[in-house]
Amino acid sequence: DVQMTQSPSNLAASPGESVSINCKASKSISKYLAWYQQKPGKANKLLIYSGSTLQSGTPSRFSGSGSGTDFTLTIRNLEPEDFGLYYCQQHNEYPPTFGAGTKLELK
Amino acid sequence: EVQLVESGGGLVQPGRSLKFSCAASGFTFSDYAMAWVRQAPKKGLEWVATIIYDGSSTYYRDSVKGRFTISRDNAKSTLYLQMDSLRSEDTATYYCARHTGGYWYFDFWGPGTMVTVSS
Repeated sequence: DVQMTQSPSNLAASPGESVSINCKASKSISKYLAWYQQKPGKANKLLIYSGSTLQSGTPSRFSGSGSGTDFTLTIRNLEPEDFGLYYCQQHNEYPPTFGAGTKLELK
Repeated sequence: EVQLVESGGGLVQPGRSLKFSCAASGFTFSDYAMAWVRQAPKKGLEWVATIIYDGSSTYYRDSVKGRFTISRDNAKSTLYLQMDSLRSEDTATYYCARHTGGYWYFDFWGPGTMVTVSS
């Protein structure tokens, strides 16, 4: 199985700032990486797939980049609703595997 | 509006069985592959099983093969997970999720149902 390593595990930032979350695959997954947001009391939300394609409804302040083994989720001009957990997931091959998550907290 | 709502979780003893369901609405259920994804307390997400749109093929993570069965009733727009020989490590919140087309990622998720395996 492809192992996904996310960093950092925790991240503190203030509204208006920009942050980046990294995800590293144990082998090449081409461009096939998804990013999800998880918040208490809400359904998990798909933000980005295929590395950089925004899911319908994802604000443009979110962007994804990378290919091969190294990927980045960048959130510019943080809004209060952006704080929560973020997970990466490779969708290049079966079985799909997730990173351990990054908790984005309010500084 | 796409909605997925799980039901049937609860407390169960090790070695026993549990079956829960996911009611889907807001889309043509029979057009989509569906999955179960779980999250142990304070842990990350873990894919469990997938069933393709017509139920003719199923896929499982190794740790649940032979113990869990994913199934669907397209007439009722409902997804199921039968869990047998439950272990403490199966304790988790189980999410119903919709595959996007034929791809291995998930565009809609349910709120989840908690399963606790404990004596």
